[in-house]
Amino acid sequence: AQKVTQAQTEISVVEKEDVTLDCVYETRDTTYYLFWYKQPPSGELVFLIRRNSFDEQNEISGRYSWNFQKSTSSFNFTITASQVVDSAVYFCALISYGGSQGNLIFGKGTKLSVKP
Amino acid sequence: DAGVIQSPRHEVTEMGQEVTLRCKPISGHNSLFWYRQTMMRGLELLIYFNNNVPIDDSGMPEDRFSAKMPNASFSTLKIQPSEPRDSAVYFCASSESAGLYEQYFGPGTRLTVT
Repeated sequence: AQKVTQAQTEISVVEKEDVTLDCVYETRDTTYYLFWYKQPPSGELVFLIRRNSFDEQNEISGRYSWNFQKSTSSFNFTITASQVVDSAVYFCALISYGGSQGNLIFGKGTKLSVKP
Repeated sequence: DAGVIQSPRHEVTEMGQEVTLRCKPISGHNSLFWYRQTMMRGLELLIYFNNNVPIDDSGMPEDRFSAKMPNASFSTLKIQPSEPRDSAVYFCASSESAGLYEQYFGPGTRLTVT
């Protein structure tokens, strides 16, 4: 079975704090892709990153960084020096070969509130 | 380049009425997806198309739901008859290739069935 767990339902931080959003996934397949999406209060889903199962290199994009660890089946997302505009619901997602290839399995999301 | 376009953005209808949601994917994308988002169930895949052909409709809740993709640039999701429990945000997404590339989402249609 494929599953994505985001244990943190809501996180609240003060602007300029660093924050890490956790994502743990389950799949029996060796080939899979992991994603993070952002859903701001306006409601649209914005793609942030895609990572395949063979690439465990961490990635940094501005204030965003991602830590992929196959040993713990985790794909965590860190925002450095958070800003009010980072307030949103963040979803981790998985596409795993072996099941329906189109089926993007989403976690329940973590609501991040950044207060000024 | 324009993103995924969905219409209408908001729809309020009475129980029993037919509802049609529309989607225009990003030009050049071969795969199109319909999702539903509710507080209770989160984001659920309803159906997806590859090269205009429905590949997996196992997420379609029941026969009241149907989806079509008559050409590469247009898809519809129809609910007939609608029920209050269908109230949700419906997202359309497209990607270059299902299972390999990221999906880009439209702004969604907020459906309210009274």
